[in-house]
Amino acid sequence: AQSVTQLDSQVPVFEEAPVELRCNYSSSVSVYLFWYVQYPNQGLQLLLKYLSGSTLVKGINGFEAEFNKSQTSFHLRKPSVHISDTAEYFCAVSENFNKFYFGSGTKLNVKP
Amino acid sequence: SQTIHQWPATLVQPVGSPLSLECTVEGTSNPNLYWYRQAAGRGLQLLFYSVGIGQISSEVPQNLSASRPQDRQFILSSKKLLLSDSGFYLCAWRASGSSYEQYFGPGTRLTVT
Repeated sequence: AQSVTQLDSQVPVFEEAPVELRCNYSSSVSVYLFWYVQYPNQGLQLLLKYLSGSTLVKGINGFEAEFNKSQTSFHLRKPSVHISDTAEYFCAVSENFNKFYFGSGTKLNVKP
Repeated sequence: SQTIHQWPATLVQPVGSPLSLECTVEGTSNPNLYWYRQAAGRGLQLLFYSVGIGQISSEVPQNLSASRPQDRQFILSSKKLLLSDSGFYLCAWRASGSSYEQYFGPGTRLTVT
């Protein structure tokens, strides 16, 4: 089974500051990578995905992520966060779209 | 449009009691269905997934089981709950084939006392 590691369980940041949420996965085979977001009292929704092609992928709300095969990483970034970005972010990996493995989540707390 | 339902929303059950959580999807056919458990500090743990009626794959050996009696119905069950079964249970669906996006239900908060 795949293993997904999100090193930071909580990330506090001030509004308009940049942020990076880290994600590493275990597989050495080709994988598909995802970031999901869970806003307070809401369900999970897809933020962005890497399937193939350019290693820099852009998602909703100004987020982007970079796939690094050699480091087996898929870190999520945003150059300037807003209060509304306060949420829990989950990294996920899949080899064949049948099974998805999620990390433990990172709670992003944006302070005014 | 597609909709996913889960019930109940919250459940408090004593240790040793049975469990039945239900998930239904509307507006799509032959979806892939998933059960996850979200425990504090552990993220989403894949429990079961199904690619069709009666086809269940188990990811984690435990006292839970899943069934898919109809195309858009997915049930999570237990004969005897343990304290460690407490958590937030999420059902998700994905369109069959090469579609990659999962759509999650609102979840069930289970507390075993």
